[in-house]
Amino acid sequence: GAVVSQHPSRVICKSGTSVKIECRSLDFQATTMFWYRQFPKQSLMLMATSNEGSKATYEQGVEKDKFLINHASLTLSTLTVTSAHPEDSSFYICSARDGLGQGTSNTEAFFGQGTRLTVV
Amino acid sequence: AQKITQTQPGMFVQEKEAVTLDCTYDTSDPSYGLFWYKQPSSGEMIFLIYQGSYDQQNATEGRYSLNFQKARKSANLVISASQLGDSAMYFCAMREGDDDKIIFGKGTRLHILP
Repeated sequence: GAVVSQHPSRVICKSGTSVKIECRSLDFQATTMFWYRQFPKQSLMLMATSNEGSKATYEQGVEKDKFLINHASLTLSTLTVTSAHPEDSSFYICSARDGLGQGTSNTEAFFGQGTRLTVV
Repeated sequence: AQKITQTQPGMFVQEKEAVTLDCTYDTSDPSYGLFWYKQPSSGEMIFLIYQGSYDQQNATEGRYSLNFQKARKSANLVISASQLGDSAMYFCAMREGDDDKIIFGKGTRLHILP
């Protein structure tokens, strides 16, 4: 089945530094990827939609200058948390859908393993 | 207003019993898809089952079945013969129309008791 790989799985960084998280679709092309954020014991909140070759679409309340998204190829999207602060500590997870599809059966979104970010 | 409502924050169920996790949704789009995902403590999101709004029959995948009641906008997940490994967080989610993004409910934490 389709696989989405997310890296790193865990990262600890100092306050004020930037952290880059990668999301790769390993065996399919993803024209669109999604970035979610999940606080402990809460649901996944969609942050932004990453579009290959164009600007990301951010959900209301998400700072686009703080959470930089780049989708430079059909298999890679990156999320950079700039000038991270302790309140940015969270679980970040990406998902992707097979852009070419597999008929009507390809309906699920595939998720990466997630990245647990801790800002100290 | 919430698009996806899961009213059970937590559930405790005896091993081998069946369990139903509730989910209601809100949309005016005639075309939509409903998902259930399982999230164990490791954090990964595991796809369980999908139901399309035009699907005539309820979706089933092994021990998982989706009780789709379109008029009531309900998409409950039924797990038959529960196992200890089913203990996890379960999320109901929806994709509307041509929009690719998936919106999640708040989740239900399921505990299977030995």
